[in-house]
Amino acid sequence: GAGVSQTPSNKVTEKGKYVELRCDPISGHTALYWYRQSLGQGPEFLIYFQGTGAADDSGLPNDRFFAVRPEGSVSTLKIQRTERGDSAVYLCASSKTRNTEAFFGQGTRLTVV
Amino acid sequence: KQEVTQIPAALSVPEGENLVLNCSFTDSAIYNLQWFRQDPGKGLTSLLLIQSSQREQTSGRLNASLDKSSGRSTLYIAASQPGDSATYLCAVAYTGFNKFYFGSGTKLNVKP
Repeated sequence: GAGVSQTPSNKVTEKGKYVELRCDPISGHTALYWYRQSLGQGPEFLIYFQGTGAADDSGLPNDRFFAVRPEGSVSTLKIQRTERGDSAVYLCASSKTRNTEAFFGQGTRLTVV
Repeated sequence: KQEVTQIPAALSVPEGENLVLNCSFTDSAIYNLQWFRQDPGKGLTSLLLIQSSQREQTSGRLNASLDKSSGRSTLYIAASQPGDSATYLCAVAYTGFNKFYFGSGTKLNVKP
């Protein structure tokens, strides 16, 4: 597809479980971002990839959160030992290079029960 | 600290009105500013991107302006339509930073 694709669109998990969220960026975009959005708030930055490397992970809230982008395309956000406070919409965006026009996916709504 | 503020948080107008949404930011060293639209339960759709060297950008009924010295951007929507109802977010990329800083958005309701 032409846009950023995120799967799954919805994920319900039990507290303490491990989850993986996937992002498929626009082909040729070297920059990839993960954001988290709570109800009524703007997205908050989690991590930025330039190519395969995490160039800025300063937004990850703690060491339960980890993300990879092994081949410089698809990225996976991994959350260990999920907590109810992790419930949010996780958004992925890509752009041609850093801080150029960003295109967002539809998000994954994570609910931890 | 880089902060982005959007006022008002919500706005309701009758169809056909011209309206202005405001975005303010605390650091003038911006790289660019992007306006997005978000429909309920959906992702963000890019509307306009203004580079730091530009004063405004236009797309159809939308016009976005940028004033770095005052730390403000406005999104002007002409002849509003019910289909314009959504939350509008502005996002600022600062020079030397690897992320966009978002405001909390303005929720717009255009009444038929």
